[in-house]
Amino acid sequence: QKEVEQDPGPLSVPEGAIVSLNCTYSNSAFQYFMWYRQYSRKGPELLMYTYSSGNKEDGRFTAQVDKSSKYISLFIRDSQPSDSATYLCALKTSYDKVIFGPGTSLSVIP
Amino acid sequence: EADIYQTPRYLVIGTGKKITLECSQTMGHDKMYWYQQDPGMELHLIHYSYGVNSTEKGDLSSESTVSRIRTEHFPLTLESARPSHTSQYLCASTSGDEQFFGPGTRLTVL
Repeated sequence: QKEVEQDPGPLSVPEGAIVSLNCTYSNSAFQYFMWYRQYSRKGPELLMYTYSSGNKEDGRFTAQVDKSSKYISLFIRDSQPSDSATYLCALKTSYDKVIFGPGTSLSVIP
Repeated sequence: EADIYQTPRYLVIGTGKKITLECSQTMGHDKMYWYQQDPGMELHLIHYSYGVNSTEKGDLSSESTVSRIRTEHFPLTLESARPSHTSQYLCASTSGDEQFFGPGTRLTVL
């Protein structure tokens, strides 16, 4: 079993839709939870970062962590064409080891 | 925007050639990383460095080597390129818990 599993996608939604992106993990040692966005032919960029269970909101983006279920989600409200990208979940232990999910490709259709 | 640079952005080269992928950052970060990313797959850590003269192999076995003679520079070298080395190579550096990625080098070995 992989340490981090992510919804495979690709995902295609109309502009304005609410998008839900999900990852599950197996190692309870992960303490830091991140979402990266990667545009085509670019490196990933950090979108959201949290270290506790619950929700963290930043504009149209909400990161949700459920440590008991080992499940993390990223919600995008009022999705825009500029949100079209690949979204990678990333998990880190206290020892600086970061594991990335394979990514979910999202297309927001105008 | 992160000040981390990679050259070349694209490279097509024949089997057996020696190549060096350049990575530089101007942020003064001590920790730097090289990842390999294939389409639809996870980022795999192949090398990392915690400072000058410090280099370690990552989780994914790689025939490449790295050096860290200066804080800002972390080049990756393949002594003899093979078609199996065809991939995207991403360089990153860390400030706290956030990894900043370069734009990547897309390598094709014929």
